[in-house]
Amino acid sequence: AQKVTQAQTEISVVEKEDVTLDCVYETRDTTYYLFWYKQPPSGELVFLIRRNSFDEQNEISGRYSWNFQKSTSSFNFTITASQVVDSAVYFCALSTSGTYKYIFGTGTRLKVLA
Amino acid sequence: DVKVTQSSRYLVKRTGEKVFLECVQDMDHENMFWYRQDPGLGLRLIYFSYDVKMKEKGDIPEGYSVSREKKERFSLILESASTNQTSMYLCASRVAGVAKNIQYFGAGTRLSVL
Repeated sequence: AQKVTQAQTEISVVEKEDVTLDCVYETRDTTYYLFWYKQPPSGELVFLIRRNSFDEQNEISGRYSWNFQKSTSSFNFTITASQVVDSAVYFCALSTSGTYKYIFGTGTRLKVLA
Repeated sequence: DVKVTQSSRYLVKRTGEKVFLECVQDMDHENMFWYRQDPGLGLRLIYFSYDVKMKEKGDIPEGYSVSREKKERFSLILESASTNQTSMYLCASRVAGVAKNIQYFGAGTRLSVL
């Protein structure tokens, strides 16, 4: 079975704090892709990053970084020096070869307080 | 930039009404998707269209139908709206084919059925 678990339902931090959003996935496929999306209050899911199962390099983009670890089936997302504009719901998703579907986690609501 | 446009941001309908949710994309994507988003449940796939006039049921198709007469437009139809269909509906599109392809989302339609 394929599954994505985002155990943190809601996180609140004070501005400038670092925060990590957890994502744990399950799949038996050896080729798969992991995604993170941001959903601000406006509603639209905005694509943030895609990672394939053969690339375990961590990635950094400005204040955002992602830690992909196959050994623990995790693809965690860290925001450094959080800002109020980071307040949103963040979704992790899994896609495997041979299927058109994304499997989404239930999302983590991040609130960054000024 | 990819643009996925959903015709309405908010809709209020009565129980038993026939409801049409419209989605248009401007990037000539073959694949289009309809999801519903509910708190604590994440995104659940209702229907998928892999090309014009082609469709497949997703995880929760009951009570819904779809239409794809033109490549750029994908409509979700609630034949007889019920209160349990009150939800946020999200449309997405992507280039056809492999699991790595990114889905691009519209801003969503928040539907209330009274």
